[in-house]
Amino acid sequence: EVQLVESGGVVVQPGGSLRLSCAASGFTFDDYTMHWVRQAPGKGLEWVSLISWDGGSTYYADSVKGRFTISRDNSKNSLYLQMNSLRTEDTALYYCAKDRGRGYGYFDYWGQGTLVTVSS
Amino acid sequence: AIRMTQSPSSLSASTGDRVTITCRASQGISSYLAWYQQKPGKAPKLLIYAASTLQSGVPSRFSGSGSGTDFTLTISCLQSEDFATYYCQQYYSYSWTFGQGTKVEIK
Repeated sequence: EVQLVESGGVVVQPGGSLRLSCAASGFTFDDYTMHWVRQAPGKGLEWVSLISWDGGSTYYADSVKGRFTISRDNSKNSLYLQMNSLRTEDTALYYCAKDRGRGYGYFDYWGQGTLVTVSS
Repeated sequence: AIRMTQSPSSLSASTGDRVTITCRASQGISSYLAWYQQKPGKAPKLLIYAASTLQSGVPSRFSGSGSGTDFTLTISCLQSEDFATYYCQQYYSYSWTFGQGTKVEIK
């Protein structure tokens, strides 16, 4: 059974930093592209970032480019999102999502999310 | 980025009704479209990909159609467990974008 478990969400002040983690199990992690998708409270879904199966390629939404860094450790079946220079508009539930394959671009499994609140 | 627009934003329907949700892309995306269902407090669930291919385990009352810029999600006979919010998503080009969602409520 595929499982994705996010962690690391907390309350942080504007300008602060945070690192989210996603622990994956139930599939061959290094065969798949992985994504982060977020959802602000009461709002819709926003794709944030993706990383290729080998970590060699990364992409970011314009809203986070230059501030967030996605990475993965295939030896630990783990996905990460380093978030710097946080803004109030980054407040959201952050989901880790598995790509259908190596860059299909849609998401067949999602975690339950970890909540990031940026507030002073 | 490609803009995805869903209509309606919300609808009220009864169990047994046929429901259709529309998604329009701001430019052609071929069939690179997925549909998701999200229930309150839960993660989204993949229903359909490639505009019309049903994800494994999804009931056959769900169907998708369309290509280019105009797409539809149809629920042929609404069940109580189908009351949720539905999102379309294009994966034709980076960066991947979602529609704003359609909330299906009980009439």
